[in-house]
Amino acid sequence: QQQVKQSPQSLIVQKGGIPIINCAYENTAFDYFPWYQQFPGKGPALLIAIRPDVSEKKEGRFTISFNKSAKQFSLHIMDSQPGDSATYFCAASKGNDMRFGAGTRLTVKP
Amino acid sequence: DGGITQSPKYLFRKEGQNVTLSCEQNLNHDAMYWYRQDPGQGLRLIYYSQIVNDFQKGDIAEGYSVSREKKESFPLTVTSAQKNPTAFYLCASKVQRGGQNTGELFFGEGSRLTVL
Repeated sequence: QQQVKQSPQSLIVQKGGIPIINCAYENTAFDYFPWYQQFPGKGPALLIAIRPDVSEKKEGRFTISFNKSAKQFSLHIMDSQPGDSATYFCAASKGNDMRFGAGTRLTVKP
Repeated sequence: DGGITQSPKYLFRKEGQNVTLSCEQNLNHDAMYWYRQDPGQGLRLIYYSQIVNDFQKGDIAEGYSVSREKKESFPLTVTSAQKNPTAFYLCASKVQRGGQNTGELFFGEGSRLTVL
């Protein structure tokens, strides 16, 4: 069964827009929630991550919002740029158990 | 520079042949992982290893085998028993800071296997 559900599957925004990608998880034992960015033909790279003791984390133009009671978290990209066009994966983990969402293909149009 | 090297980047094989994908890291990380990526399915864990000479099955281990004889190396063999081996394979290691594992995975650039 899919332990991390990610939506939408694909997303197209104009430059300067604020794409939002959502994830929901099942296992309340998860204690680390990263977002990875992947460009075509490359491996994913860590973008930003959050622990469940905070509700929001910002790093540059990227923000994670975390709702522990709803078991949901989301990625917001402020002032999006064409260079942000990539596939984004959320994940949830506890120890060596890391579960990934299915990915969101983001396209930022100039 | 430290990193993970996966080879080959592209590999074509005939059905029924075993293939081995290489993964080498010079990051001195203890834990290493193999994931399979298929379109629309995210990353699925095949095997992981926390330490030399130890490895554990992930969610989709059937048809795959691994070894961990050295800390730096974690090769994956895709056997003829794997029903649908065509995929993008990613090797990763768990980032350590101050000798402690973080939750962060560092990925290689992947190997794309196509079975004809």
